[in-house]
Amino acid sequence: DAGVTQSPTHLIKTRGQHVTLRCSPISGHKSVSWYQQVLGQGPQFIFQYYEKEERGRGNFPDRFSARQFPNYSSELNVNALLLGDSALYLCASSRSARGETQYFGPGTRLLVL
Amino acid sequence: TQLLEQSPQFLSIQEGENLTVYCNSSSVFSSLQWYRQEPGEGPVLLVTVVTGGEVKKLKRLTFQFGDARKDSSLHITAAQPGDTGLYLCAGVQEYGNKLVFGAGTILRVKS
Repeated sequence: DAGVTQSPTHLIKTRGQHVTLRCSPISGHKSVSWYQQVLGQGPQFIFQYYEKEERGRGNFPDRFSARQFPNYSSELNVNALLLGDSALYLCASSRSARGETQYFGPGTRLLVL
Repeated sequence: TQLLEQSPQFLSIQEGENLTVYCNSSSVFSSLQWYRQEPGEGPVLLVTVVTGGEVKKLKRLTFQFGDARKDSSLHITAAQPGDTGLYLCAGVQEYGNKLVFGAGTILRVKS
């Protein structure tokens, strides 16, 4: 079975632009979570979606938004990009929303210039 | 302050040596996971522990969950250069649903 897939793998944007990152979960998994990992740190939780509903939100500004589609894939949108948004954005999927082991995709490396 | 404190932050050892990485918290976790991450890639799950006092072994890696489910350790026996990477612990707080990560331990094994 395919693992979690993310696109694009790399992205370069300039300040003020917006970006959309995409994630497809493992088949059968209904929950998708998004994380931001800045170089040298552990991943920080951004959002969790389950059955197309937001189930959790981390301490990120409103410039960050996400949604989940009927096929359980997900998009993360970031508006008005700042230099500090440069990071590896990780998507993880799990079968349900609570306490399940999460499996990570390879991430999208975003560089904001 | 981090909810999950990992130590040490960085470890550089010779091939064949043993090492232990610690993950500590004042909070109780319903489960705790260990991941290994290579540069530019996503974390790869090594193990999930859910029961206080649980010990799991994965070849040369031994994982332990504390009796009170507040801490965990990862012990590597006879480290090899292929063990080099970033080791992350992550837990789901009791009554919570989001995964909280420690800052990670960078392990470098020299041949």
